[in-house]
Amino acid sequence: NAGVMQNPRHLVRRRGQEARLRCSPMKGHSHVYWYRQLPEEGLKFMVYLQKENIIDESGMPKERFSAEFPKEGPSILRIQQVVRGDSAAYFCASSADRGGLYNEQFFGPGTRLTVL
Amino acid sequence: DAKTTQPPSMDCAEGRAANLPCNHSTISGNEYVYWYRQIHSQGPQYIIHGLKNNETNEMASLIITEDRKSSTLILPHATLRDTAVYYCIALTSGTYKYIFGTGTRLKVLA
Repeated sequence: NAGVMQNPRHLVRRRGQEARLRCSPMKGHSHVYWYRQLPEEGLKFMVYLQKENIIDESGMPKERFSAEFPKEGPSILRIQQVVRGDSAAYFCASSADRGGLYNEQFFGPGTRLTVL
Repeated sequence: DAKTTQPPSMDCAEGRAANLPCNHSTISGNEYVYWYRQIHSQGPQYIIHGLKNNETNEMASLIITEDRKSSTLILPHATLRDTAVYYCIALTSGTYKYIFGTGTRLKVLA
């Protein structure tokens, strides 16, 4: 009964490169959320996706960042032309239904992105 | 969603009860109090949630005051593995934007 899987766990990129972060939700879960955590801060919501649909991307920067959750395969958070300020831990969560009461979000172990 | 306020840090002796307070004075009638913790930069882990009544599960107990303006998470016999940042969040049904503040950094001392 695997939990939320994220890979890679650690990713190092140079400025200007692209970063791709993957998230496989828990079995039976069709709702995926991405959060970003800067050092010494709490998690900040970025985007909420269901299969093939972006439901809410209000927390995601409008440029360079994109997310998808295809019909088959993991959810992908893509950061183009990374800058040092993108260095953070990125967490994915999933839920069986829309988040909240009795549909708790279960979090993955995170991907730590370091931009050199 | 109601804003929550927690002390930045607490210490607790191993084997003793850890009592973590949370203020949520603007909580509305349909908002639940959820607790998560984050151990050493891992992903947040769900602990417990409640509305009005006190709740208990295998991990912890949650005591909510009668006026619902504050609550306390109780870890009955803290171990070194309970050292973590604990987050208190107020959520209504259907809320998916979890708002994590800076939480309480609990250090369990040997």
